[in-house]
Order: sequence, then structure tokens, then C-alpha cells
Amino acid sequence: SQTIHQWPATLVQPVGSPLSLECTVEGTSNPNLYWYRQAAGRGLQLLFYSVGIGQISSEVPQNLSASRPQDRQFILSSKKLLLSDSGFYLCAWAELAPNEQFFGPGTRLTVL
Amino acid sequence: TQLLEQSPQFLSIQEGENLTVYCNSSSVFSSLQWYRQEPGEGPVLLVTVVTGGEVKKLKRLTFQFGDARKDSSLHITAAQTGDTGLYLCAWNWANQGGKLIFGQGTELSVKP
Repeated sequence: SQTIHQWPATLVQPVGSPLSLECTVEGTSNPNLYWYRQAAGRGLQLLFYSVGIGQISSEVPQNLSASRPQDRQFILSSKKLLLSDSGFYLCAWAELAPNEQFFGPGTRLTVL
Repeated sequence: TQLLEQSPQFLSIQEGENLTVYCNSSSVFSSLQWYRQEPGEGPVLLVTVVTGGEVKKLKRLTFQFGDARKDSSLHITAAQTGDTGLYLCAWNWANQGGKLIFGQGTELSVKP
């Protein structure tokens, strides 16, 4: 069966510090991968998606970047965090569009 | 400007009551999904609707897709406390890696 992992679960970082959030998927090959951010229990905002290794599509110009160094690994990064980067970050995968997306447990990021 | 408008944003009802939440857009959906999210977790897919006029039932939940594929509704019969959560509609863009564009969600609280 397929599983998706995200870490860390929670993170508190000072403004201006770097960020690296990792997402890995097991039990599937060549999945589509997605990063979303959610503020205060509201709708999810799509940040990046990837349909293959090294292929990244950015949805919103911002302080973040994404990379996919391996087939089942998706990384969200920032060189310098802003207060507005605080939120709940969710990684998701799907086998084929427009099939169901499966979400990870999320990372709660607080920037102080 | 939100591509998807959900209403109401908040709903608090007593156990046993019925409720309906709505998802509207000025655009035509190719495929619409409904997800349910509990606090601190990722969303979980409830249903995918594709055909205009389609009605799908999932136990006490009934999902309708508008004839013109611009709107959808979720009706819950005899709500239970376990139905509490954030209900999200999402537009699945199959031709763009299956990315999801979410509405802002309806936060449902069912009181005993």
C-alpha cells in the first residue's frame, strides 16, 4: 500500500532563517506531487506541483521554492523566511490526473 | 478573486439536523471533488463528480453537480457529531498535472 510522509510535524523558525520541508511517498512510481499551504483552517493554496523528476511548476510567486531530486521525494525550501510564511504545509500525491489526491499529515510552521 | 466560492463559511447545527453547503464558480468545471478535513490532518476525498446533473450518494451524504457544471452541493441528512470538520470543494485541472484549486471551505460544527 502507498504511504506519504512529511517531516518535521511542527517547526518554529525565526524570520530570516532558511527552511527545508521534506515529503516522501512509498509504494508507487512516478506520482504527481503537490505542495499546498493552508492558513487558519481555510482552503488550501497550491504552491507547486511536479509531474516528474526535476519538473516543477510554480503557482504563486513567493519566497519559496521546490525541488524533486528523486521520483518519490519532494522538497519545499526557502532561503529567508518571512512572517507571512507561517501556516500548515501539506504535501500530496496522485497517480494520474484527475484522480484522487492523497495528503500527508502536514507540517505546522510558525515564523516568529 | 476566488475561482471557487463556498457557502456558508461557517455552520453550527444540532445533531439530527439536515444541512446543505454550496460550491459555485463562473467557470465550467471539468471535474470537481469534495474533500473533508479534520483539524491537524490532511484532507480526505469524499467524492469526484464529472458529469453535469450527476448525483452521488455516500451514506448520509448526497452530492449534486449542476447541469452546467458550474456549481455543486453537498447535503448531509441527520448530521452526527462525527460529521464535524472542514468541507472543501476542489477543481481538478487534469490538463495541468491534476492540480487542485480549492474553495475556502465550510467549517461545520455538529453539537450533541
